[in-house]
Amino acid sequence: GDSVTQMEGPVTLSEEACLTINCTYTATGYPSLFWYVQYPGEGLQLLLKATKADDKGSNKGFEATYRKETTSFHLEKGSVQVSDSAVYFCALGSPNNAGNMLTFGGGTRLMVKP
Amino acid sequence: KAGVTQTPRYLIKTRGQQVTLSCSPISGHRSVSWYQQTPGQGLQFLFEYFSETQRNKGNFPGRFSGRQFSNSRSEMNVSTLELGDSALYLCASSAGMGETQYFGPGTRLLVL
Repeated sequence: GDSVTQMEGPVTLSEEACLTINCTYTATGYPSLFWYVQYPGEGLQLLLKATKADDKGSNKGFEATYRKETTSFHLEKGSVQVSDSAVYFCALGSPNNAGNMLTFGGGTRLMVKP
Repeated sequence: KAGVTQTPRYLIKTRGQQVTLSCSPISGHRSVSWYQQTPGQGLQFLFEYFSETQRNKGNFPGRFSGRQFSNSRSEMNVSTLELGDSALYLCASSAGMGETQYFGPGTRLLVL
């Protein structure tokens, strides 16, 4: 079945450091890929997405490129802020238009220190 | 547009009771999906409704059920609650098949 693997956290960085959170997936067909972010006590917010190979999603300084050859969708940011502290989830959408089911990775907690 | 809303936000129940959670999707969205989030199992898909019909179902026991109304609002019901049902229940809506899902703030259920 479909699955998503994320690097385990927590990831602790100092402000202005570079961030990479690894995400790899296993799926049949050509799924859409997403990064969602969850702040304490809140639901999930869509951070960025990519719908086909080589697409780059970007938002708020975060970027991720859909790499079909390595089945990866790593999240990157050049300079993190304290306000980026949250849990980040990589997810894949139902391939082959089978519906709207998302399969999530286990989440990676990011802690950014001043 | 208003976002996805879920009620109630917090709920405390005892074992054996049943509970109903409500989700109002973004205006114009016809698909509503439900997810369970726990520290041990992470985020797991429960089911999806589209135009009042269940389109997908996750691997949960029959105690978990749902429905969708003609105005796209959805309810989720859990009967005979168990301690392990304590979780954050998230609802997401999307405009259609394959479209991006937008999540509500969740309902936090505690079963004592």
